Amino acid sequence: GENVEQHPSTLSVQEGDSAVIKCTYSDSASNYFPWYKQELGKRPQLIIDIRSNVGEKKDQRIAVTLNKTAKHFSLHITETQPEDSAVYFCAASRDSWGKLQFGAGTQVVVTP
Amino acid sequence: DGGITQSPKYLFRKEGQNVTLSCEQNLNHDAMYWYRQDPGQGLRLIYYSQIVNDFQKGDIAEGYSVSREKKESFPLTVTSAQKNPTAFYLCASSIPGDQPQHFGDGTRLSIL
Repeated sequence: GENVEQHPSTLSVQEGDSAVIKCTYSDSASNYFPWYKQELGKRPQLIIDIRSNVGEKKDQRIAVTLNKTAKHFSLHITETQPEDSAVYFCAASRDSWGKLQFGAGTQVVVTP
Repeated sequence: DGGITQSPKYLFRKEGQNVTLSCEQNLNHDAMYWYRQDPGQGLRLIYYSQIVNDFQKGDIAEGYSVSREKKESFPLTVTSAQKNPTAFYLCASSIPGDQPQHFGDGTRLSIL
């Protein structure tokens, strides 16, 4: 089955700097890659997603890039703010059932 | 998302007891999912359903059961066969296929 690896597990950045989280997936048939943000004790919330027919997608300070050949995708957060502190999860899906395989998560801490 | 309601927020299980977690959605989504989240880990799929009266096992279905008698409801029963049930349980729904999944607020289950 699909396996998604996520790095790093923790990331500490200064406010205003950029944060990058990387995920690799094993199944070349995967075609949908969402990113979720989860604050402590709360629900995961979708922040951005990308499909395999697109190489890059941007939404204000957040961008995701996809390299299908290398089977990896990355989340980029620019001009980080304290409210960006949370756990971020990547996921991959390969079939019409919509089953998602999640990475283990990255704890991002933005220090003022 | 306000359209997915999970209850209760906290639940305690005694030895040998079955407990049922509720998930209701008013988003008119056909697909619904149950995930388990353990500390420091990603989300793991327990069961999913694409249509009423049909559901499929996910990666960690042992010790759990579900039903899908109504489109808006997808309850999860944690049976006594699940020996390590302490976790955060998240319900999600979506349009079937590679579409964003939207999560409820979760139920935290603990053992007495």
